[in-house]
Amino acid sequence: QVQLQESGPGLVKPSQTLSLTCTVSGGSISSGSYYWSWIRQPAGKGLEWIGRIYTSGSTNYNPSLKSRVTISVDTSKNQFSLKLSSVTAADTAVYYCARERMVAAIFDYWGQGTLVTVSS
Amino acid sequence: AIRMTQSPSSFSASTGDRVTITCRASQGISSYLAWYQQKPGKAPKLLIYAASTLQSGVPSRFSGSGSGTDFTLTISCLQSEDFATYYCQQYYSYPPWTFGQGTKVEIK
Repeated sequence: QVQLQESGPGLVKPSQTLSLTCTVSGGSISSGSYYWSWIRQPAGKGLEWIGRIYTSGSTNYNPSLKSRVTISVDTSKNQFSLKLSSVTAADTAVYYCARERMVAAIFDYWGQGTLVTVSS
Repeated sequence: AIRMTQSPSSFSASTGDRVTITCRASQGISSYLAWYQQKPGKAPKLLIYAASTLQSGVPSRFSGSGSGTDFTLTISCLQSEDFATYYCQQYYSYPPWTFGQGTKVEIK
C-alpha cells in the first residue's frame, strides 16, 4: 500500500519561500508509471493543482504559479519536494502531495495534507 | 485553462436518497473526467475516472456518466458515510489540471 507523507514548516513569513517534502513509502518513486504532484486547498475552498514531477526530473507547473514554483525529486530518499517563493497570505492553504497516474492524470494516492500559514 | 463548474454548490439530502451532482466543462473534454470525495480534515479520495469507471474498492452505489462537456455523479442510495464534499477534475488538457469548486452533500 503506497503512502505519502508531507513534512515542512507550518508557518512561513510573507515574501519568504515555502518548502515542503513528500516522503513516499510502500512503493518506489522511480516507478515509471507515475508522476508525483502537489495540490493545495485554501481553507473552505477548492483544489488547485500546483505541478508535478517525473522520476527523470521532468516537471510541469500550473501557469498561474510557474514563476514561483520549483518541484524536485530525490530518488535515493524516495522523496519529492516543493518550493514556492515570494509567498503571500494568499498562499495559505493545506498542501497535499499525490501520486498521479501516467495513463490518466488522476490522483489515486494522497498524503494527509499539511497546513501552511503565511503570516508575519 | 479549462473551467469546471459544479452544481449545486451544496444541498441537503436524507439517507437512502438518490442524489445527482453535475459537472460542466468550459470546453469538450471527451471522457477525461474524475470524481473525488473529500471528508472534513481528510485528503480527497478517488471515486471515478474516465467519467464512468469505478475506482477499485469504491461501492457500486456510486456511478458516473457523461462525455464532452456535461457529466454527472450519482449516488443511488445515500449512506451516512457519503455525506462529504465531491469534486470533479478534468485531465483532458493541461497545464493545469483543473477541479470543480466542489459540491457539499449535507444531512437533511
